[in-house]
Amino acid sequence: GEQVEQLPSSLIVQEGASVLINCSYTDSASVYFPWYKQEPGKRLQFIIDIRSNMERKQNQRLTLLFDKKTKHLSLHITATQPGDSAIYFCSASNRNSGTYQRFGTGTKLQVVP
Amino acid sequence: EAAVTQSPRSKVAVTGGKVTLSCHQTNNHDYMYWYRQDTGHGLRLIHYSYVADSTEKGDIPDGYKASRPSQENFSLILELASLSQTAVYFCASSERTGSSYEQYFGPGTRLTVL
Repeated sequence: GEQVEQLPSSLIVQEGASVLINCSYTDSASVYFPWYKQEPGKRLQFIIDIRSNMERKQNQRLTLLFDKKTKHLSLHITATQPGDSAIYFCSASNRNSGTYQRFGTGTKLQVVP
Repeated sequence: EAAVTQSPRSKVAVTGGKVTLSCHQTNNHDYMYWYRQDTGHGLRLIHYSYVADSTEKGDIPDGYKASRPSQENFSLILELASLSQTAVYFCASSERTGSSYEQYFGPGTRLTVL
């Protein structure tokens, strides 16, 4: 079945820095890739997504890059703030309806002042 | 904003006992899901449902049953709880159609089986 991996598993950055979170998947049939954020003690929250017919998507300080050939995604966060501290999850679905999402193990980001 | 609630928020159960986790959504979403979260494993799909009175198996259904009596409610049942089922359980919902298929999550239920 689909395997979704994320690197790094954790990172600490200074406020204002940029970060890159990498995600790879194995199922070439995957077509939909949502990302979620889980702040400490809170529920998972959707932050950005991309479909396999796109290469890039931006939402304010978030930029998501997708490489279908290498089965790789990168989430770029610029001008980080303490409020960005959270666990970030990559997910992949091989269904056009976006159901049956397989999640990565998460990347824990800590932004220090 | 989508509202997904779960009850109880935490539970301590004994091995071999029956546990029922409940989920309620108020957004008219067709799809509902149950995940478990363990350290180092991310979220893993247990069961899901796309319509009332029907459930489907996810990646790790063994030891769990699900029930969707109405569009708004989705339950996860552990008939014989085991130590290995200690985890945080999340319910989620999503729409059937639309431009985005984001899932809306509940706050989670922390289950400890002793």
